[in-house]
Order: sequence, then C-alpha cells, then structure tokens
Amino acid sequence: AQSVSQHNHHVILSEAASLELGCNYSYGGTVNLFWYVQYPGQHLQLLLKYFSGDPLVKGIKGFEAEFIKSKFSFNLRKPSVQWSDTAEYFCAVISGPNFGNEKLTFGTGTRLTIIP
Amino acid sequence: GAVVSQHPSRVICKSGTSVKIECRSLDFQATTMFWYRQFPKQSLMLMATSNEGSKATYEQGVEKDKFLINHASLTLSTLTVTSAHPEDSSFYICSARGPGLWETQYFGPGTRLLVL
Repeated sequence: AQSVSQHNHHVILSEAASLELGCNYSYGGTVNLFWYVQYPGQHLQLLLKYFSGDPLVKGIKGFEAEFIKSKFSFNLRKPSVQWSDTAEYFCAVISGPNFGNEKLTFGTGTRLTIIP
Repeated sequence: GAVVSQHPSRVICKSGTSVKIECRSLDFQATTMFWYRQFPKQSLMLMATSNEGSKATYEQGVEKDKFLINHASLTLSTLTVTSAHPEDSSFYICSARGPGLWETQYFGPGTRLLVL
C-alpha cells in the first residue's frame, strides 16, 4: 500500500525566509503527487500537482515542488514566505491511474507558522 | 474553481442519535465523492468512495452500517453517522471529483462533529 511521510510536523519561519517542506512516498510505480494547503478555518486547496514531464512543478502563490524519483520525494519550496502562508500543508499521492478507483493518500501534514 | 459545500459546519449531538452531513458540488457534477475523517493533528483518512447511483466503497476498518453513505444525485452525497458515540467525534471532510477530472479532488470545508 502506498504511504506518504512528512517529517516536519511544525515549522516556524520569519517572513522572507526560504521554505522547504519534505515529502516522501513509498510506492514504486507510477505516482501522481499533490500538495494541498489548508488555511486556518478554510477548506483544503490544491497548491500544485505532478503527473509527468518536467519534475519541477510550479503552483499557485509562488510555490513549487520538485519530483525526485530516485529519492521518492516531492518537496515543497518557496523562496520567500509571507505571513499569509501560515497554514497546514499536506502532501498526497495517487498511485495509478486506475480510472474510477483513484484514492488520495495523505501525509500527516506540516503546520507552517510565519512570524511577521 | 469548483466549489464544494458541506452542511452543517458544526454539529453537537447526544450519544445514540444519528447525524446527517451533506456534501454538495455547487458548480459542477460530481460522479465520485469521497468522505474523509481527520483527527486532531493527524492526516485525512479516507473512509469511503461514493459513486453516483451505486453503493459506496468503504475502506478497511470502516463500519458501513455505522457510516451510511448515499450519493443520490450528481451534486449531492450524504454521510449519516448512526447511533453516534463520543469516539465518533471528529472532523469529517468530503471531496468531489467531476467527470474528466479524475486526478483532482475539490474539498469541502468540513463538518465538526461532537458527540456528548
């Protein structure tokens, strides 16, 4: 079964600092990778996704992630964080496609706190 | 973007009663909806996959008689927690996937259930 690990449980940064959140997955076959963000009191939103092609994926709000197949990793990065980036970040994976049976497996999430 | 709503956002009930949670896709038709449960400081755990017009597929360990799922239309899925107990207290989140968008799920804001 696929699994996702996020080793950083809580990250605290000052504004303008650079960010990298780790994500590792366990499935060895074809994977589709996602980063979701949950701002305080809001629903999960898709930040970015990787299916194939360029392993460096750019998402919304200046976020990007790099898929490194040899390391089974899909780390999230942002060169300069803002106070508004304070949120919970979830990495997720779908192994497939298996049309109609795709299931997202989530990591445990990383809470990001940005200090003004 | 696609919008998914949930109702109610918060519910408190007595032990032994049943609670129904609605999940609606507001601006698209959702052939598949997913129900997740999120414990404090933990990840989202998939409970079941709901396909319009057919029976839901439950994940291992989820009691189908306790968590009744009905996906009666392309815009509505309901989760009924029957004979709720305090251990059912949790945050329940639904997501919806439209036709042709198998890889992307749009999440509702979640429902906080507290069973006294």
